[in-house]
Amino acid sequence: SQTIHQWPATLVQPVGSPLSLECTVEGTSNPNLYWYRQAAGRGLQLLFYSVGIGQISSEVPQNLSASRPQDRQFILSSKKLLLSDSGFYLCAWMREDSRNTEAFFGQGTRLTVV
Amino acid sequence: AQKITQTQPGMFVQEKEAVTLDCTYDTSDPSYGLFWYKQPSSGEMIFLIYQGSYDQQNATEGRYSLNFQKARKSANLVISASQLGDSAMYFCAMREGRDTGGFKTIFGAGTRLFVKA
Repeated sequence: SQTIHQWPATLVQPVGSPLSLECTVEGTSNPNLYWYRQAAGRGLQLLFYSVGIGQISSEVPQNLSASRPQDRQFILSSKKLLLSDSGFYLCAWMREDSRNTEAFFGQGTRLTVV
Repeated sequence: AQKITQTQPGMFVQEKEAVTLDCTYDTSDPSYGLFWYKQPSSGEMIFLIYQGSYDQQNATEGRYSLNFQKARKSANLVISASQLGDSAMYFCAMREGRDTGGFKTIFGAGTRLFVKA
């Protein structure tokens, strides 16, 4: 069965420090992968999506970057965190077949920049 | 421009009654998909239901059904026989560009559902 792992679950980082959030998928190949951010009590903002290794599409220009070094690995990074980077970050992948399309989310990372 | 609109920030429903959560969307892509997700207080995102733009029938999954009105560009979620455990945040999402290889999926602002005993 397919699963998605995201870590860490919580993170407290000082302003100006680097960030690396990792997401991996098991049980599938060539998944479409996504990074979202959710501000407190609000909807999900699409940050990046990737359709293959090394292929990254950025939706919102900001202090973050994403990379996909392997087929089932998606990394969200920052060289220097800002206070405004605080939020709940979710990784997702989408499964499609002839009958249905379904998206699966990781457990999320709650990032607090202090 | 806002492409997914959920106009109800909060909704209340009595246990065992049905409730409809509204969602409208905007796209010029002829091929797209619509999703609903549930997010309980724990933060996890739970997939509920999917509707493809070419699907002739409304999607149903257990107590969830999607009232898809293509001409009106609406994809409302209907929850029948509400349960206390249905209290959560609900998000509508749209995936565009399927035919052209696009994969962007965007979300609405969400509706918080409160189920009363």
